[in-house]
Amino acid sequence: DAGVTQSPTHLIKTRGQHVTLRCSPISGHKSVSWYQQVLGQGPQFIFQYYEKEERGRGNFPDRFSARQFPNYSSELNVNALLLGDSALYLCASREWGMGTYEQYFGPGTRLTVT
Amino acid sequence: QKEVEQNSGPLSVPEGAIASLNCTYSDRVSQSFFWYRQYSGKSPELIMSIYSNGDKEDGRFTAQLNKASQYVSLLIRDSQPSDSATYLCAPYILTGGGNKLTFGTGTQLKVEL
Repeated sequence: DAGVTQSPTHLIKTRGQHVTLRCSPISGHKSVSWYQQVLGQGPQFIFQYYEKEERGRGNFPDRFSARQFPNYSSELNVNALLLGDSALYLCASREWGMGTYEQYFGPGTRLTVT
Repeated sequence: QKEVEQNSGPLSVPEGAIASLNCTYSDRVSQSFFWYRQYSGKSPELIMSIYSNGDKEDGRFTAQLNKASQYVSLLIRDSQPSDSATYLCAPYILTGGGNKLTFGTGTQLKVEL
């Protein structure tokens, strides 16, 4: 079975630009979460979506937004990019309502802001 | 106090030895705990989950959970050079702001020949 997929793999943007990152969950998984991982740190929670609704938001500015589509895929948008937004952006999917909470990560999108 | 604390390492063990990785967490409500392995430049890979106090074994890996002490550990038996990676401890926290994995900074493990 295919795992979580993300696109693009790498991205280079300039300060002030915006970026859209995409994620497709494991087949049958209805929940998607986004995390940001800067070098040397653990992933930090950004958003969680289930059935197209936002179910959680981490401590990130309003420049960060996301949405989930009817096919459960998701996109993360970041506006007015700052140098500090350079990081590995991870998407994770999980089943919902099954009594378990395992999340499986995709390969990530490496964003570099110059 | 950090939500999740791990010794950053590096933890060096000889091939064939037992590696012991430790983690403490601050949220008393956490019920689910996960260990992820992350190779340099790659994304985290789920290797163990544990929900109840005690031990859970899966192959060469054993996770141990003590909710009263807010402590979770991972033992790797017969360590191999391929186990060299960063190990991330992640309690699953149910909050008003959403359910989320909360990660420590990870412990770097080096298995030496």
